[in-house]
Order: sequence, then structure tokens, then C-alpha cells
Amino acid sequence: DGGITQSPKYLFRKEGQNVTLSCEQNLNHDAMYWYRQDPGQGLRLIYYSQIVNDFQKGDIAEGYSVSREKKESFPLTVTSAQKNPTAFYLCASSIGGSRNQPQHFGDGTRLSIL
Amino acid sequence: AQSVTQLDSQVPVFEEAPVELRCNYSSSVSVYLFWYVQYPNQGLQLLLKYLSGSTLVKGINGFEAEFNKSQTSFHLRKPSVHISDTAEYFCAVSDVINTGKLIFGQGTTLQVKP
Repeated sequence: DGGITQSPKYLFRKEGQNVTLSCEQNLNHDAMYWYRQDPGQGLRLIYYSQIVNDFQKGDIAEGYSVSREKKESFPLTVTSAQKNPTAFYLCASSIGGSRNQPQHFGDGTRLSIL
Repeated sequence: AQSVTQLDSQVPVFEEAPVELRCNYSSSVSVYLFWYVQYPNQGLQLLLKYLSGSTLVKGINGFEAEFNKSQTSFHLRKPSVHISDTAEYFCAVSDVINTGKLIFGQGTTLQVKP
């Protein structure tokens, strides 16, 4: 079955450490997205990419970085500059970066601080 | 700017009772609207979408929603809920720019009691 795989499911970060969250999709989707979810705040967009080798900042990009070297993969790095990284991170993809296309989501990675 | 407001953060209801989860949006252009469901520690799953045409949209798991342009609402309804419907529900609207970006409400937790 096609879908989006996020790994790891749980991740712990030490002070001053960068960590990378993996997101892989086999849906042949062009567009991919990263969201951060905090209790009571819904989902906030971190970065998105509509095509390979191109990506744009979302609403809360500070302290995060991404790459899109392959269509299937959109890893997210949480850098040491992100002072409050504890959250649930969700990756999504859609057929194209169009307004009428629904997004498909992975099962998330929960990041905590040690 | 576009926004989505989910009027209730929590909705408790007894099993087999009807339920309505409210969603209002603001937008300066025509909208595409979505409802997603999130079970604990999982990603989001698409329940239904409104793109055009009939204002009554039917989705999975017996849910439906009605698009009301004059009231800028997209309320989600189910005539008889089950314990398994206990989850968090998100309303979302497509961004005005054709990027596939979604703007999410803050979510409503549906608690179905036996």
C-alpha cells in the first residue's frame, strides 16, 4: 500500500543537538509539507516543497531546516536554535501544490527534550 | 488573511446521540474546505472535502458536512456516534495562493461516552 512513513516514532534531543526527522512517501506526490502540532494550537506549517530541489518557509520556520533532494523524501532537521522543540511533528504530501488537493499524513514523530 | 475557527474545543456526547462540530472560516476568495480526524498518536485522516457543487458533502464513517457560504460555515455532523468516533477533529481551508497550503482550526476533541 502507498503511504507516508515517518521515523522515528519517538525522538529525544539533548541540549545543543541537531536532530533529523525522516519522511518518505511512495505516493508519487509532488508536494510535501511539515507541520508542528502543540496541544490546543492545531497544526502550524514549518516548511513546504512543491517540487524537488525547491522549498519555502511556512509560518514557523525559525530553528528548522529541510532538504528535498528526491521526490520521495523530505527530511526535517530541528536545530539547536529551536529553543522549544518539544512537539508532535507531522509530515504530509499531496498530488500537486494545488488548492483543491487534500493532503495525506504520516503517523508523526514525537520529539522530546532530555 | 484567511482563518479557521472551531468554536468548541471539546464536545462530550453519549453514544448513539447526534453530534455537530462547528467550523467557521474567513476568506476573500472562493474556498476549498476539509475535515480531518486524528486518533491518539496518529496522523490526520481525511474525512471529507468540499470543492464545489452540492453543499452537502458526505464522508467516511457516516460523517457529513454542509457548506454555508452566507454564514461562512462548514459544520460537521453525524446522526449517531460510536465510542470509536472519540478523536480530535480538524477543519481546514486552502490558502488563497495556489500552493496546496492548508490553514487549520485549533481542533475539537469529540468525547463519546457509553
